[in-house]
Amino acid sequence: DQQVKQNSPSLSVQEGRISILNCDYTNSMFDYFLWYKKYPAEGPTFLISISSIKDKNEDGRFTVFLNKSAKHLSLHIVPSQPGDSAVYFCAAIAFRVGTASKLTFGTGTRLQVTL
Amino acid sequence: DTGVSQDPRHKITKRGQNVTFRCDPISEHNRLYWYRQTLGQGPEFLTYFQNEAQLEKSRLLSDRFSAERPKGSFSTLEIQRTEQGDSAMYLCASGGDLRRNTGELFFGEGSRLTVL
Repeated sequence: DQQVKQNSPSLSVQEGRISILNCDYTNSMFDYFLWYKKYPAEGPTFLISISSIKDKNEDGRFTVFLNKSAKHLSLHIVPSQPGDSAVYFCAAIAFRVGTASKLTFGTGTRLQVTL
Repeated sequence: DTGVSQDPRHKITKRGQNVTFRCDPISEHNRLYWYRQTLGQGPEFLTYFQNEAQLEKSRLLSDRFSAERPKGSFSTLEIQRTEQGDSAMYLCASGGDLRRNTGELFFGEGSRLTVL
């Protein structure tokens, strides 16, 4: 059972426009949601996170929106830049004492920002 | 560089051979995770260490896989009798105290395994 889903495997956006990456989840017990960015042959790097008690978090060009009732979150990148071209993973974590409290990842969305 | 480091970055081996990967986490982090990533998939959890104790293992971790973190610092992941299905990127990640944490894990650059 896939608890975190990214239904769009790829997205192409023109430089300067908005990129919107979507993520759905099924586990209502997640405490935090995170977005990671991954370039080829590198490990994922943390981008931005949001607590389950918030509905928006902003950091520069990156904003994450959380809709708990819909179990949906999205990452907005404005304006998109060619250097943003990468695979973006949505991840979620539930903090539980005595457990791994591990990140559960979606399958990723490949973003290509074109000139 | 004080990030997570992994070694080797690439390993090509023949089916049936044993391989070992090493991970050096961020020094002050007590949590260490191993993940595996295959093409078109997100990272999948393999196992978790809190200090030197291995507290959780995924169903993905067959008996041919063993991981250690002997002194609560670096960790090794060994795969015995490798199979072609073991070909993947093996990622190590570390994290700090959960009480002051938003869930963020810091990943190494990964060790890519190719089994011929």
